[in-house]
Amino acid sequence: SQQGEEDPQALSIQEGENATMNCSYKTSINNLQWYRQNSGRGLVHLILIRSNEREKHSGRLRVTLDTSKKSSSLLITASRAADTASYFCATVNSGYSTLTFGKGTMLLVSP
Amino acid sequence: GAGVSQSPRYKVTKRGQDVALRCDPISGHVSLYWYRQALGQGPEFLTYFNYEAQQDKSGLPNDRFSAERPEGSISTLTIQRTEQRDSAMYRCASSLLGLAGGAGELFFGEGSRLTVL
Repeated sequence: SQQGEEDPQALSIQEGENATMNCSYKTSINNLQWYRQNSGRGLVHLILIRSNEREKHSGRLRVTLDTSKKSSSLLITASRAADTASYFCATVNSGYSTLTFGKGTMLLVSP
Repeated sequence: GAGVSQSPRYKVTKRGQDVALRCDPISGHVSLYWYRQALGQGPEFLTYFNYEAQQDKSGLPNDRFSAERPEGSISTLTIQRTEQRDSAMYRCASSLLGLAGGAGELFFGEGSRLTVL
């Protein structure tokens, strides 16, 4: 079963614009992670935010977490064509036993 | 190795045949995970190991699916009597100390694409 639901399913923007993707989940979590996947290749870890954190930055990435609303957002600033990929949120349950992925947001950045 | 290696990259088989998919994790990684990913979907958890011990196999769809990691390194996912619905990308991931330790991130391989005719 998949815990997270990303929104939107697909997003198309121009280079230089910001891209925001949202993720909602259902059960309590220990942490939430975002992964990127290029053209069906392997997933690459982007950033992890723990349940006691509200915001985290890494380069052009900004992640927020609202545990009261069971939601997270990923912001990519000043997007580039190379950011074109699918982005998945994934949650780690309280028992640290599983990492459950959402269905993903497909981002297209046009030059 | 430098990354997680999976083989074969592509496997086409006939319905009813058994298949074995191999995963070679990053050297020294304690935890190893198997996921299945359908086109346009996120990875779906199958099973995971800490060292050689299978910790959770709740995601395996039925008893035709099994996995092992006998020496705590390489793992094999075996599907017996394959069916067309088993067609998917099977992904392996490893983690240095598991989801509870260190950075808690998974490193994924490129996957094995299984097609059952």
